[in-house]
Amino acid sequence: GENVEQHPSTLSVQEGDSAVIKCTYSDSASNYFPWYKQELGKRPQLIIDIRSNVGEKKDQRIAVTLNKTAKHFSLHITETQPEDSAVYFCAAPASGGSYIPTFGRGTSLIVHP
Amino acid sequence: DAGVIQSPRHEVTEMGQEVTLRCKPISGHDYLFWYRQTMMRGLELLIYFNNNVPIDDSGMPEDRFSAKMPNASFSTLKIQPSEPRDSAVYFCASRAGPGELFFGEGSRLTVL
Repeated sequence: GENVEQHPSTLSVQEGDSAVIKCTYSDSASNYFPWYKQELGKRPQLIIDIRSNVGEKKDQRIAVTLNKTAKHFSLHITETQPEDSAVYFCAAPASGGSYIPTFGRGTSLIVHP
Repeated sequence: DAGVIQSPRHEVTEMGQEVTLRCKPISGHDYLFWYRQTMMRGLELLIYFNNNVPIDDSGMPEDRFSAKMPNASFSTLKIQPSEPRDSAVYFCASRAGPGELFFGEGSRLTVL
């Protein structure tokens, strides 16, 4: 099955700084890469996703980049704000067309005001 | 739509008791997933259904765990007998085809 590694496990930044979280995956056939945000005590919610036919996707202050050759993808958050503090999960699906996601272990992002 | 609905939100029980967690997926979604979340192991996929049929239950820890989906609008995850190491947050999620997972609020289980 798919193996997803996520780094770092904890990331502490000052408000206004940028944050980058990276994930690597093992299945070269994977073609859909979502990122979920989970605030304390809440459910995970999708914030951005990318498909393998593009290398980058942006949505306001967040962006995701994909390097299929190296089998890694990254979440970039610019101009961080305290409300960005949460746990972020990447996921990669196993091949076979069913898009069953395997999640990374999560990154706890802390944005200090 | 109200989203994915799970119950109970919190359950505290004693070791050896039976626990039943319930999930109502979003109407029209054909996939339903059960995940377990712990600090040690993160988000683990336990089982998923497609059109009410269990497809992959390889993540179910052991025979004490069972899941059913009798119809498109209801699923249960049962633990019998429960053990302290089963303490976790259990999430149900649904989706329509490939793409975004919609998670429920989760059921926080504590087994004493």
